[in-house]
Amino acid sequence: GAGVSQSPRYKVAKRGQDVALRCDPISGHVSLFWYQQALGQGPEFLTYFQNEAQLDKSGLPSDRFFAERPEGSVSTLKIQRTQQEDSAVYLCASSFGQANTEAFFGQGTRLTVV
Amino acid sequence: AQSVTQLGSHVSVSEGALVLLRCNYSSSVPPYLFWYVQYPNQGLQLLLKYTSAATLVKGINGFEAEFKKSETSFHLTKPSAHMSDAAEYFCAVSDWAAGNKLTFGGGTRVLVKP
Repeated sequence: GAGVSQSPRYKVAKRGQDVALRCDPISGHVSLFWYQQALGQGPEFLTYFQNEAQLDKSGLPSDRFFAERPEGSVSTLKIQRTQQEDSAVYLCASSFGQANTEAFFGQGTRLTVV
Repeated sequence: AQSVTQLGSHVSVSEGALVLLRCNYSSSVPPYLFWYVQYPNQGLQLLLKYTSAATLVKGINGFEAEFKKSETSFHLTKPSAHMSDAAEYFCAVSDWAAGNKLTFGGGTRVLVKP
C-alpha cells in the first residue's frame, strides 16, 4: 500500500484479555517502530525492528508486552492480560533506515481497556 | 539520554497572526530534529526536519524552524496562521546512534481563532 497501515483502528478489550495489534509498513522499509501515545501526551518509544531483528525493546513497559516481525515486513504488537493503564493509541512507524530519513506513521490503533 | 521540552501545551492564535511553537532539546550527540503535526484521530505527519545541513529549515504548509545550537532550541514558526493549522504539534529528537528512535515532546495544541 501507499502508507503504513494499522489494524484494527479501534479495539475495546476487557481487563485481562489478550490483544494483538497489526502493522503493515511501507514496502521496502527496513526499520519499524512501535510507539505508545497516552491521552494528551506525546508518543513514547516501545520497540524497534531492523528487518526481522528486534534491536531495541527498552520501551516495553512490562513483560506483558511482546512484539514480533518474523519475516521482516508485517509486525504484531501483543499485549497479554490487558490492564486499564494500557489504554492508549499505539502508533507504528517505518523508515528506510538511514540516519536522516523520515519515519512514516500509521493512523494508530486506539486501545480502550474496560 | 535525549529529551525534548515543548513550552506551552496550548497556544491560541488569530487567523493571519504569527504562529510560534517552542521546542528545546537535550542530546548527547549532534541531534537530528523533527516537527510533526497530528490531526484528530490521525497519525503523525512530518512538517520538517533538521539533519545538520542548513540551520533554517523550511517545511510544508508554510512552516519553518531554526536550529540554534547555543540555545538548544528548534522553534517552529509560521508567519500567518490559517484555520487548517489547528492541530497538535510535536517536536522530536532522533537518536541516530540507536536506530533512529524518536523522543517526543509533550505536544502543543494550536487553536486558530477566526
